[in-house]
Amino acid sequence: KQEVTQIPAALSVPEGENLVLNCSFTDSAIYNLQWFRQDPGKGLTSLLLIQSSQREQTSGRLNASLDKSSGRSTLYIAASQPGDSATYLCAVTGETSYDKVIFGPGTSLSVIP
Amino acid sequence: EAGVVQSPRYKIIEKKQPVAFWCNPISGHNTLYWYRQNLGQGPELLIRYENEEAVDDSQLPKDRFSAERLKGVDSTLKIQPAELGDSAVYLCASSLFSGRETQYFGPGTRLLVL
Repeated sequence: KQEVTQIPAALSVPEGENLVLNCSFTDSAIYNLQWFRQDPGKGLTSLLLIQSSQREQTSGRLNASLDKSSGRSTLYIAASQPGDSATYLCAVTGETSYDKVIFGPGTSLSVIP
Repeated sequence: EAGVVQSPRYKIIEKKQPVAFWCNPISGHNTLYWYRQNLGQGPELLIRYENEEAVDDSQLPKDRFSAERLKGVDSTLKIQPAELGDSAVYLCASSLFSGRETQYFGPGTRLLVL
């Protein structure tokens, strides 16, 4: 059974700092991995989707990497801003066509001005 | 383009009462998902539809939960009777064709059972 964990559970950094969020999964047989952002009281917004054949994806100040064999992904945020404060969740989709998407518990990020 | 629409946004009910949530996915999206999210946790899938067909309902507590997606467009999730442990945020999401694509989430319905 696939399990997804995220470390740390919470993170507080000063504005301008670069930071890394971690995601680990137990079953490497994944089709893709996604990073989402969730603001308080809101739904989830997809940030980056990495296919299992890819090593990384970039969007603006965000860079996500995937090491499928070791069951790990990182989300790198450059030059953090107060507006980046939110919960960041990773989710993996299994290889078979009907595998469900399994979410991690999220990392709550606070960027202090 | 309108996003995923959910209603109501908030609902407070007493235990043993019924409750229903409604979701309208992004136009043209064939796949619709219902998730439950408890505080401090990631969403857990309750049911996934491909058009009108429920292709994964293994996590749906079928003794009290039911869902339908008539005509393959909007969907309703019902709980009857509600229990205290059902308090959570219920999220609806949709994707274009399958569970392998980017999912777009609605704002969710926050349910409190007293």
